[in-house]
Amino acid sequence: EPEVTQTPSHQVTQMGQEVILRCVPISNHLYFYWYRQILGQKVEFLVSFYNNEISEKSEIFDDQFSVERPDGSNFTLKIRSTKLEDSAMYFCASDLGGMNTEAFFGQGTRLTVV
Amino acid sequence: GEDVEQSLFLSVREGDSSVINCTYTDSSSTYLYWYKQEPGAGLQLLTYIFSNMDMKQDQRLTVLLNKKDKHLSLRIADTQTGDSAIYFCAERTILTGGGNKLTFGTGTQLKVEL
Repeated sequence: EPEVTQTPSHQVTQMGQEVILRCVPISNHLYFYWYRQILGQKVEFLVSFYNNEISEKSEIFDDQFSVERPDGSNFTLKIRSTKLEDSAMYFCASDLGGMNTEAFFGQGTRLTVV
Repeated sequence: GEDVEQSLFLSVREGDSSVINCTYTDSSSTYLYWYKQEPGAGLQLLTYIFSNMDMKQDQRLTVLLNKKDKHLSLRIADTQTGDSAIYFCAERTILTGGGNKLTFGTGTQLKVEL
């Protein structure tokens, strides 16, 4: 069964450093997403990406975040200068878009900012 | 905006039925989902229901939807210890760019006791 894969599974970084979280969506999917889950809180939508550009973003997705599809398979989330409050589980998801579709989620990357 | 609420904890004995409840706010939601998250793992889609349905059964899982009250429930028959996990309710809204955004509830921690 096709799956969304994320690397690394766990990333520890110092405050102020840049991190890049990587995802390989399902190959024929068209829409790609990042969600975030701070420990003990809800899973929150960050951004959706289609046709090599952001199609929608939440208020959480400020200027320190960026997304990119650098090649035909990877989809990345970059946090430019990490803060302690960026510590969370980050989930990548993908789907075909439209009405009759199901979003597939990756296993998540746990980001710890120290 | 969209909001989804769930109770935080549920404890049941093995073999009993579990019922996890959820309320949502977006009356235009077309699909409502139940995801399962085991410790340290990602989000696994369990089942979903289309908004024009009242009920959906899938093996041990029964989803009931009361669209008037915006209430969704997940019933797990013959609950097993392997069902212990966090269960997230989510409503889907279609983004203007054509993708989909899921709004998740807080999650219900299901504990199954022997």
